[in-house]
Amino acid sequence: DVKVTQSSRYLVKRTGEKVFLECVQDMDHENMFWYRQDPGLGLRLIYFSYDVKMKEKGDIPEGYSVSREKKERFSLILESASTNQTSMYLCASSYEGSRGLRQGRRETQYFGPGTRLLVL
Amino acid sequence: DAKTTQPPSMDCAEGRAANLPCNHSTISGNEYVYWYRQIHSQGPQYIIHGLKNNETNEMASLIITEDRKSSTLILPHATLRDTAVYYCIVRARSEKLVFGKGTKLTVNP
Repeated sequence: DVKVTQSSRYLVKRTGEKVFLECVQDMDHENMFWYRQDPGLGLRLIYFSYDVKMKEKGDIPEGYSVSREKKERFSLILESASTNQTSMYLCASSYEGSRGLRQGRRETQYFGPGTRLLVL
Repeated sequence: DAKTTQPPSMDCAEGRAANLPCNHSTISGNEYVYWYRQIHSQGPQYIIHGLKNNETNEMASLIITEDRKSSTLILPHATLRDTAVYYCIVRARSEKLVFGKGTKLTVNP
């Protein structure tokens, strides 16, 4: 079974703090994704990565950065946390590589359990 | 990108089949239909996907109409643990998955 784990289920931080959210997958997936989920807004893509050291902006990258130093690990960084970044953060991974995706191949994303972040 | 339309909520009796409809009238020929669900306070869980043929796995069955403009997810014997929000998603041209509002399925004892 695919397993995607996230470093914390719940996190409380103060405004201005630097926050690291870690995601690890054990299926040798090329693609990894970070989303946030807010009531009434659904899932919104923040960043994604096709491969180690590669990253692409999603729909709402402002205020976030990412790091993919190892294939199995994708980190989301809030450089200076703000209250509007209070949200549920979801990590996902999928198998198809970037070439396959650009060819219109299907993807099946597997999600982690999520991290509920509260910024005070 | 195709959009999907789902009823906001449905109820089902425990042990009965739950049939969740989805309309996707503007789906493109190379786009797949995916179903995910999200149980409260958990990450989305992949259920099943298909292109044009009906599909079945250990969780559910997916019935896609011949014109591909709609589909139905079937949970053959719903349990209380199947209470969740179910998302029907047509894969966008980019790598993004776009989750709509989904259908909140409540399985009643």
